[in-house]
Amino acid sequence: SQQGEEDPQALSIQEGENATMNCSYKTSINNLQWYRQNSGRGLVHLILIRSNEREKHSGRLRVTLDTSKKSSSLLITASRAADTASYFCATDPNDYKLSFGAGTTVTVRA
Amino acid sequence: EAGVVQSPRYKIIEKKQPVAFWCNPISGHNTLYWYRQNLGQGPELLIRYENEEAVDDSQLPKDRFSAERLKGVDSTLKIQPAELGDSAVYLCASSERGLNTGELFFGEGSRLTVL
Repeated sequence: SQQGEEDPQALSIQEGENATMNCSYKTSINNLQWYRQNSGRGLVHLILIRSNEREKHSGRLRVTLDTSKKSSSLLITASRAADTASYFCATDPNDYKLSFGAGTTVTVRA
Repeated sequence: EAGVVQSPRYKIIEKKQPVAFWCNPISGHNTLYWYRQNLGQGPELLIRYENEEAVDDSQLPKDRFSAERLKGVDSTLKIQPAELGDSAVYLCASSERGLNTGELFFGEGSRLTVL
């Protein structure tokens, strides 16, 4: 079973625009992570935000976490063609395993 | 430093045939995971190892799937016999931390097609 759900399922933007995707989850968590997966490749860790944090930045990435609403968002600023990928949120619901959502597919048009 | 290495990258077999996937985690990573990823979906955990012990195999279909991690390093995931529904990408991941799940490092995956 997948604990997280990303929204939207797919997103198409122009290069230079910002991309925002959301993740909702069901149970309490220790932390929430975002991963990127390029077509035909493995997943790459982007950022981890702990349950007691509300916002975190890493380069062009900004992640927010609202534990009261059980939701998180990932913002990619000034998108590039290389950002074309699927993005997954993953939650650690305190049972030592990471559960992934179905992902948001982002296409950045040149 | 080498990442997580998986082989084979691609495998095509007839249904009812056996298949095995191999994973070499990052050196020093005690925790190893096998995930299955169906097309258009996120990865789903099959089994988690802490060193050589399988600490969570609740999602592993034990009638046809088996896994081992001898000496707490490399791991093998086997399917016997394979069914059409087993077509998926099998991802191996490793991490340093076993208790509170930190960052996972994934291999490139093994894509299985069952005909």
